[in-house]
Amino acid sequence: TQLLEQSPQFLSIQEGENLTVYCNSSSVFSSLQWYRQEPGEGPVLLVTVVTGGEVKKLKRLTFQFGDARKDSSLHITAAQPGDTGLYLCAGPRMDSSYKLIFGSGTRLLVRP
Amino acid sequence: NAGVMQNPRHLVRRRGQEARLRCSPMKGHSHVYWYRQLPEEGLKFMVYLQKENIIDESGMPKERFSAEFPKEGPSILRIQQVVRGDSAAYFCASSPGPIGANTGELFFGEGSRLTVL
Repeated sequence: TQLLEQSPQFLSIQEGENLTVYCNSSSVFSSLQWYRQEPGEGPVLLVTVVTGGEVKKLKRLTFQFGDARKDSSLHITAAQPGDTGLYLCAGPRMDSSYKLIFGSGTRLLVRP
Repeated sequence: NAGVMQNPRHLVRRRGQEARLRCSPMKGHSHVYWYRQLPEEGLKFMVYLQKENIIDESGMPKERFSAEFPKEGPSILRIQQVVRGDSAAYFCASSPGPIGANTGELFFGEGSRLTVL
């Protein structure tokens, strides 16, 4: 069974701090996606990583896909209150790529 | 361009009633997916539909739940005889074509939050 575990579950930091959240699995994924979900809204795709070792940057957000394609991390530099939200990682099931497996998320609060 | 539209945004039902959730995909998208999110959890796949076809309903409970995507009109997720455990956020997503292992993006709606009293 493919599972994605995210850590930490909750993170509360001060504006301006840096942080890293993790998405881990014992299974290989062909790709991983990161979403941000705000309260009362649906998930919005931030990035898809496909190649082992790949690093993608989106302004202050840096996403990395592990060499073995079993894990990924999201690093935020100089966090801002607007970064507050639930960060979800997701990957396609090996047997059915249209079925995304989601982690349970990291809930981030950035205090002004 | 309108995004994925879901309604109602909030729905309250008593145990034993029926809930109908509607989803209009993005313009030009013919593939619809329903996911369920329980509090403090990630999303869980329920069903994948194309126009007039159910492609995969393996994530949907066999009883009380059904889904359709008619030739005309929105996709509908129907829950009969709701129980408290059905309380959750139900998200619809759409894509223009099949989602591949490394390709394709799902566009999610804002969700329908069902509360069963």
